[in-house]
Amino acid sequence: TQLLEQSPQFLSIQEGENLTVYCNSSSVFSSLQWYRQEPGEGPVLLVTVVTGGEVKKLKRLTFQFGDARKDSSLHITAAQPGDTGLYLCAGAKSGGSNYKLTFGKGTLLTVNP
Amino acid sequence: DAGVIQSPRHEVTEMGQEVTLRCKPISGHDYLFWYRQTMMRGLELLIYFNNNVPIDDSGMPEDRFSAKMPNASFSTLKIQPSEPRDSAVYFCASSPQGLAGGIEQFFGPGTRLTVL
Repeated sequence: TQLLEQSPQFLSIQEGENLTVYCNSSSVFSSLQWYRQEPGEGPVLLVTVVTGGEVKKLKRLTFQFGDARKDSSLHITAAQPGDTGLYLCAGAKSGGSNYKLTFGKGTLLTVNP
Repeated sequence: DAGVIQSPRHEVTEMGQEVTLRCKPISGHDYLFWYRQTMMRGLELLIYFNNNVPIDDSGMPEDRFSAKMPNASFSTLKIQPSEPRDSAVYFCASSPQGLAGGIEQFFGPGTRLTVL
C-alpha cells in the first residue's frame, strides 16, 4: 500500500487549460513538498507546505495543504508546454524525522502545444 | 556549486556482477540520501546519512545492498551480487541541516542501472 497516493497517474492536456493534481494519505504529515522531475534528471523542489490549510502560489502554480495535513493539491492555471514533467509529492511523517521523505508515485503531465 | 554529482550515469552489467554507484554531495550539506526509482514502486528511500553516519537503512532491500560514506564528500552504494530486478534509476540527494520542517533535498542526475 502506497503511503501517498497521487492522482491522476497520467494527464495529457492542451496548452492554456487548467488542471489540478492530488496527493492523498491516511497519515498526518509535518510537512509536504512538491517536486517536478524532467526526463533524465533528478526531482527539483517546487514548494514546501507545513501548516494545515496553507496555500502557496508560485506564478501559475497554486499549492494547498489540507486542514488535517493528510493531503495536498497542485493547481496549474493556463498550462504551458514547459510545465510538462512528472510531479511528485513527498511528505515527512508527523512524529518522524523531517529528513525522511516518503514519495508518491507521481502524476505524469504532458502539455501539448 | 556543481550540484550533486553521480557516476556513472549509465551502467549495464550482467547478473551476479558487483556494481558500485558513486555520489559527491553538495559541499556543506550534512545529509546524504540514496533513492531508487522504478515505474512499479516509484521513488523509494534506501538509506540516509547524517555527518557521514548511517541514520536509517530500513529501505535497503536486502543484504546484497550496502552503502558507505567514508567522508563528507563521497558516498558509494554497492550491489553484490546484482540481479535483474535491481534494474532501476538510482538517485543520490543531499540537504543542509535545518531547524524547520520541509528541508529541501537536492538530487543528482541519477544512475540508470540495467542488470541483464
